Amino acid sequence: QSALTQPASVSGSPGQSITISCTGTSSDVGTYNYVSWYQQYPGKAPRLLIYEVSNRPSGVSHRFSGSKSGNTASLTISGLQAEDEADYYCSSFTSSSTVVFGGGTKVTIL
Amino acid sequence: QVQLVESGGGVVQPGGSLRLSCVASGFIFSASGMYWVRQAPGKGLEWVAYIQSDINKKYYTDSVKGRFTISRDNSRNTLYLEMNSLRTEDTAHYYCAKHLSGSHYISAMDVWGQGTSVTVSS
Repeated sequence: QSALTQPASVSGSPGQSITISCTGTSSDVGTYNYVSWYQQYPGKAPRLLIYEVSNRPSGVSHRFSGSKSGNTASLTISGLQAEDEADYYCSSFTSSSTVVFGGGTKVTIL
Repeated sequence: QVQLVESGGGVVQPGGSLRLSCVASGFIFSASGMYWVRQAPGKGLEWVAYIQSDINKKYYTDSVKGRFTISRDNSRNTLYLEMNSLRTEDTAHYYCAKHLSGSHYISAMDVWGQGTSVTVSS
């Protein structure tokens, strides 16, 4: 159950777009379209942004989008805003019927 | 409104036990799969356990198998995590979360509580 691999940090200027990658294996991301993305502010509980690779729950901004290619899933944040500065985590269902998270990515707005 | 409220955290010595509770409201608890997720201080999220709505199936991360037990009381809208043989590496903030309805495989957690802190230290 090795963690999914995410970059430790990503930064961008207001209005720009950034992409956070999430690399797994053929036992998780590569086989199953059950990748989720979460946003977490310091001291707060995580919030679901994306489920099943590219679906947004109601209430989540259209500026957040998800995709997948092979063993790597991606979260793109377009039109960066100051409020997007937070930690972001991916997760995936695995062939062992477990859930694995990524190590997290800190997004900084320049 | 949809809400999850955890309790039961605290300070315990290595080898000790704790039982966490999570009371749900605002949704049909008995129809929802539920998760426990933890976050060590300054670290990332770690999935701990999952229980199906009908209690038939439970899943655990390897590091807690045989030590932790997830359970639920649908009549009380309450989720539990019984933690035994606690280790210092179990020190974390523990969240309960609800499985996204309609999503077939476990992964998506659409409602989270604020969590309860567990410290394992001598």
